[in-house]
Amino acid sequence: DAGITQSPRHKVTETGTPVTLRCHQTENHRYMYWYRQDPGHGLRLIHYSYGVKDTDKGEVSDGYSVSRSKTEDFLLTLESATSSQTSVYFCATKTRMNTEAFFGQGTRLTVV
Amino acid sequence: SQQGEEDPQALSIQEGENATMNCSYKTSINNLQWYRQNSGRGLVHLILIRSNEREKHSGRLRVTLDTSKKSSSLLITASRAADTASYFCFFDGTYKYIFGTGTRLKVLA
Repeated sequence: DAGITQSPRHKVTETGTPVTLRCHQTENHRYMYWYRQDPGHGLRLIHYSYGVKDTDKGEVSDGYSVSRSKTEDFLLTLESATSSQTSVYFCATKTRMNTEAFFGQGTRLTVV
Repeated sequence: SQQGEEDPQALSIQEGENATMNCSYKTSINNLQWYRQNSGRGLVHLILIRSNEREKHSGRLRVTLDTSKKSSSLLITASRAADTASYFCFFDGTYKYIFGTGTRLKVLA
């Protein structure tokens, strides 16, 4: 799995609380991505990074923020969790543009 | 939305038959990839086809790409029960990488 670790793997949190998910990679890949997966929607891009401190929004970025202060870590923060953010979150990395992506095992987040 | 669309959404076939799934996208791309996902687990890369290629093979997989129609197809030949999974196309739009909505394939033994 190209050394990609997502933490936590499972989390239950209450509406209105902040939540941070972590993606850690050991491959020195430049590009990192956060996706959410929901039934009927497949995987949708939340945010991505093309280098340290370089991030941009994806299709469904509202309510989410990210940070990348080191090459190996890409953090996804739900500023105030809502039930609509209950989902499975996947992190992915790429070394270069025209190459395959490597995925973490996912984080199942439930907002109650 | 830039999200790609795949059809069919679900496909059920007998072991030994071929399975074909299609992906359509809206943007210009540099490459298109196909991934497999088993039961909500992580995604596994299957094959990458570049925008200047029209067809590519890998084992029992055959991928075609038609950039004029903005579409790709994945053919799995001689399917096996172990091929039961969801299949997603995955393509680039500048730095963004976008997924299709996926095809759920069930191969009956």
